[in-house]
Amino acid sequence: SAVISQKPSRDICQRGTSLTIQCQVDSQVTMMFWYRQQPGQSLTLIATANQGSEATYESGFVIDKFPISRPNLTFSTLTVSNMSPEDSSIYLCSVEEGFGTGELFFGEGSRLTVL
Amino acid sequence: EDQVTQSPEALRLQEGESSSLNCSYTVSGLRGLFWYRQDPGKGPEFLFTLYSAGEEKEKERLKATLTKKESFLHITAPKPEDSATYLCAVQLTGGGADGLTFGKGTHLIIQP
Repeated sequence: SAVISQKPSRDICQRGTSLTIQCQVDSQVTMMFWYRQQPGQSLTLIATANQGSEATYESGFVIDKFPISRPNLTFSTLTVSNMSPEDSSIYLCSVEEGFGTGELFFGEGSRLTVL
Repeated sequence: EDQVTQSPEALRLQEGESSSLNCSYTVSGLRGLFWYRQDPGKGPEFLFTLYSAGEEKEKERLKATLTKKESFLHITAPKPEDSATYLCAVQLTGGGADGLTFGKGTHLIIQP
């Protein structure tokens, strides 16, 4: 099973600023997934990050707001841009155990509070 | 529209008091149903995958079952360390890991 490290684990940010979340995996993976978990809501996929290509965004999420980098097979970043209080959430990085299995390993999450 | 509904939203049990959590789904075609456990301040941890109606999976005090419309997570003689939020997710036919739809979860508290 993959070990996933995320940084920061939590942060308090001012409205209008941007924050970059880092995700490091201890093995090479093709796809990495970024999720958002808002209070009282279900986990929602933001985008899928493939190494060497543009990230694929889900409906309701755009690259200008959530730019993603995937420079190699073990690392990805998610930036939350021009933050507002509505962006206060837990952001989770995940990878799949075997292609197409649907069995995901998650990082411990990054809890962002926007004031 | 594909939907996953978990009930109850929260459940408080005494240690040793068995119960079941429900995950009902409305999807066009089910490839797999997943159960995850999430502890406070942690990411979800994979528990089970179920693929077809009638299938059952067990792990310690947990047993997951699947019908054509819903899944149950049975917890037998729970202990305080079983306290967590349990998430259900469905994967559609032809979908990959990017096609998982999660429910909102059931927050389970086991009191000593």
